Amino acid sequence: SYVLTQPPSVSVAPGKTAWITCGGRNIGSKTVHWFQKKPGQAPVLVIFYDTDRPSGIPERFSGSNSGNTATLTISRVEAGDEADYYCQVWDSDSDHPVFGGGTKLTVL
Amino acid sequence: EVQLVESGGGLVQPGGSLKVSCGASGFTFSGFDIHWVRQASGKGLEWVGRIRSKTNSYATAYAASVKGRFTISRDDSKNTAYLQMNSLKTEDTAVYYCTRHNGYSSSPFDFWGQGTLVTVSS
Repeated sequence: SYVLTQPPSVSVAPGKTAWITCGGRNIGSKTVHWFQKKPGQAPVLVIFYDTDRPSGIPERFSGSNSGNTATLTISRVEAGDEADYYCQVWDSDSDHPVFGGGTKLTVL
Repeated sequence: EVQLVESGGGLVQPGGSLKVSCGASGFTFSGFDIHWVRQASGKGLEWVGRIRSKTNSYATAYAASVKGRFTISRDDSKNTAYLQMNSLKTEDTAVYYCTRHNGYSSSPFDFWGQGTLVTVSS
């Protein structure tokens, strides 16, 4: 089945930019969604259809997708952004969704 | 306001059964597929399975890790979906989330419940 690879952790200082990658074979041909997951809380959709932001998600969150890598970019990082982030695509071969392993974002 | 609320989690012995529910409000429940996703402590999100809407004949699908043991059903008159878990294993211990999907494969899971904890232990 389709595999998505994320770095286990990313660290960033407040006010700086964080890049969280999601690697997959020809992922640029797929639609990628990103979720923020904090302990004890439900996952929250932060980017959908590669680049779109749901209402209520700050403009600091953006996404891109090309080739074999999709990227979630968080600009001007705040302490409240500290969370686990998951990418997700639909695997057409198995006809079910696939999640990346998740990236823990630490705000220094 | 869209809401999904899971309930029914608890402690169950290995080999036992448990049925958890996902109650919905604030949207037309019957028009959406419902998926179950779980997260074991310290692990990532894992898709468990889904049930499609009536339009798509309530078709179900499951992850290989639960196929043959878990069954998803729904009662549109009660705006509720269910996850029946049989022959439970310790590795099934996780928080179970339900989420809605509009049925188009490229679409996102836009709303999630808060989850219900299932602990399989003797």
